[in-house]
Amino acid sequence: QVQLVQSGSELKKPGASVTVSCKASGYTFTTYAINWVRQAPGQGLEWMGWINTNTGNPTYAQGFTGRFVFSLDTSLSTAYLQINTLKAEDTAVYYCARAIVTTGYNWFDPWGQGTLVTVSS
Amino acid sequence: DIQMTQSPSYLSASVGDRVTISCRASQKISSYLNWYQQKPGKAPKILIYTTSSLQSGVPSRFSGGGSGTDFTLTISSLQPEDFATYYCQQSYSAPRTFGQGTKVEIK
Repeated sequence: QVQLVQSGSELKKPGASVTVSCKASGYTFTTYAINWVRQAPGQGLEWMGWINTNTGNPTYAQGFTGRFVFSLDTSLSTAYLQINTLKAEDTAVYYCARAIVTTGYNWFDPWGQGTLVTVSS
Repeated sequence: DIQMTQSPSYLSASVGDRVTISCRASQKISSYLNWYQQKPGKAPKILIYTTSSLQSGVPSRFSGGGSGTDFTLTISSLQPEDFATYYCQQSYSAPRTFGQGTKVEIK
């Protein structure tokens, strides 16, 4: 079955970096884009951007430029989210999600299970 | 950016109730509107895409409607497993903004 499996929870100190992985299975990885979504504790969903899995070209939403990096390893069918110079406000659950696109419409399915990143000294 | 506003933010209902959640976009988005369900500690799950298309495996008590700027998600007869938070999302343009969520709790 189609699924996205993310790496486990991380506890990091301010100023450190973290990498979250998202491994796809059950479909051809390069056929569908991967999106990243953040959910701060007790808050709603915030779209961070997406990466074209065919070209590797990333697109970042406003507020996620500079410290956030999307990348791929297509040989492993895996997408990565790297966050540099971590701040306390980066504490959140990060989700990857496959984008289904048809006749111009698009939606996210499935989603990874989420990775909790906690930034604390 | 397109702003998505859901109402209510919270609702309390009983099993068997008919429930409607509204979602308003700050500009016209045609039918580019999706609905997701999220249960505590779990990832969101697609329920309805392009306003009214039911995702495979989703019970038929869920339905979506609307167009332009105003959309609805209706649960015809609320079941115990439906108590969750629901998010609308526009896919008309980037950034792919979400509504703030509607939490459906047991009365």
